[in-house]
Amino acid sequence: DAGVIQSPRHEVTEMGQEVTLRCKPISGHNSLFWYRQTMMRGLELLIYFNNNVPIDDSGMPEDRFSAKMPNASFSTLKIQPSEPRDSAVYFCASGGTGGSGTTSQTYNEQFFGPGTRLTVL
Amino acid sequence: SQQGEEDPQALSIQEGENATMNCSYKTSINNLQWYRQNSGRGLVHLILIRSNEREKHSGRLRVTLDTSKKSSSLLITASRAADTASYFCATTKGGGNKLTFGTGTQLKVEL
Repeated sequence: DAGVIQSPRHEVTEMGQEVTLRCKPISGHNSLFWYRQTMMRGLELLIYFNNNVPIDDSGMPEDRFSAKMPNASFSTLKIQPSEPRDSAVYFCASGGTGGSGTTSQTYNEQFFGPGTRLTVL
Repeated sequence: SQQGEEDPQALSIQEGENATMNCSYKTSINNLQWYRQNSGRGLVHLILIRSNEREKHSGRLRVTLDTSKKSSSLLITASRAADTASYFCATTKGGGNKLTFGTGTQLKVEL
């Protein structure tokens, strides 16, 4: 299994531009989480989905942030317009119930992607 | 605010020594997990302990949980330079799988 895949790994943009971060969760996982990590605020949960449905978006900082999960294998986090204070590392993680064939397993742990380092100038 | 607060914020030890990190949390939990983050990388799950458990082992890791004190500790025995990383506790509550992370302990293991 390739694990959680995020793209791009690095993004440098100018203030006011739209930024789209992408995530492919581990196949079979039904929960997907977006986090932001900064030195000042640590690791913050922005939003999470269960079965492609947003469950808790209370961590989304402003209307400039939006997230979608059109299907079980893809999610996006969009920032528009971006601001310098949005500079951070954004992580996607997946978890929930997974398995293959007739077996299934409930995962309590989350599996993190490598992150996207966003710099807004 | 963070559900979990790790203590100490930073810890420096010599290879071969044991490292102990503590985590305190505020509300009742379903389970508590520990994660490791190497510099510039994503978090990696280490171990999970459920609210009805008091101690758990995994290799060189030992986790304890005291729900009466709302605290947990992570012990890494016979530390190695490769253990250098940040360590985070995270809690879940209720029936959900939402994790609330602590502030982390930066561990440095020197040769």
